[in-house]
Amino acid sequence: EDKVVQSPLSLVVHEGDTVTLNCSYEVTNFRSLLWYKQEKKAPTFLFMLTSSGIEKKSGRLSSILDKKELFSILNITATQTGDSAVYLCAVESDTNAGKSTFGDGTTLTVKP
Amino acid sequence: NAGVMQNPRHLVRRRGQEARLRCSPMKGHSHVYWYRQLPEEGLKFMVYLQKENIIDESGMPKERFSAEFPKEGPSILRIQQVVRGDSAAYFCASSKGLGSYEQYFGPGTRLTVT
Repeated sequence: EDKVVQSPLSLVVHEGDTVTLNCSYEVTNFRSLLWYKQEKKAPTFLFMLTSSGIEKKSGRLSSILDKKELFSILNITATQTGDSAVYLCAVESDTNAGKSTFGDGTTLTVKP
Repeated sequence: NAGVMQNPRHLVRRRGQEARLRCSPMKGHSHVYWYRQLPEEGLKFMVYLQKENIIDESGMPKERFSAEFPKEGPSILRIQQVVRGDSAAYFCASSKGLGSYEQYFGPGTRLTVT
């Protein structure tokens, strides 16, 4: 069964800090890994990663995938209070096409 | 281009009643996914549908739960004889199709069973 483990479960930082969120996975026939941000509503898409070693970047957020070690990290630099959210990692496999397996998320709180 | 739409946003049902949750995918999307999120937990996959077809329902409870995505109209997630444990947020997502297309989520329906 596909499995996604995120760490830490929760994190409290101050504005301006840099954070690194971790996602490790076990999946049969890996297709892609996705990061979402969830505030008190539906998740919003951040990144889709399919290839190892290629960093994806969007503003202060960046993410990279290591398919050999089966993990991904999400970095947020110069954090702001608006970054406070649950960050979800999900994997898709070719075997169970269409089915995304989600981790339990990392709850990030950014204090002013 | 309207996003994924779900209704109702909030639904209250008494134990034993039926709950019907609706999801209209984004324009141009033919794939729909349903997820359940229990309080303080992550999203759990329930079912993946294309028009008139259930592709993967491995995350659906075997009893009381069913889903459809008819040729015309929204996708429906139906829960019969609801119990308190069904209280959760139910999210629908849609995508253009397979092949590394990201999923776009609707706002969710929060079901409360009293």
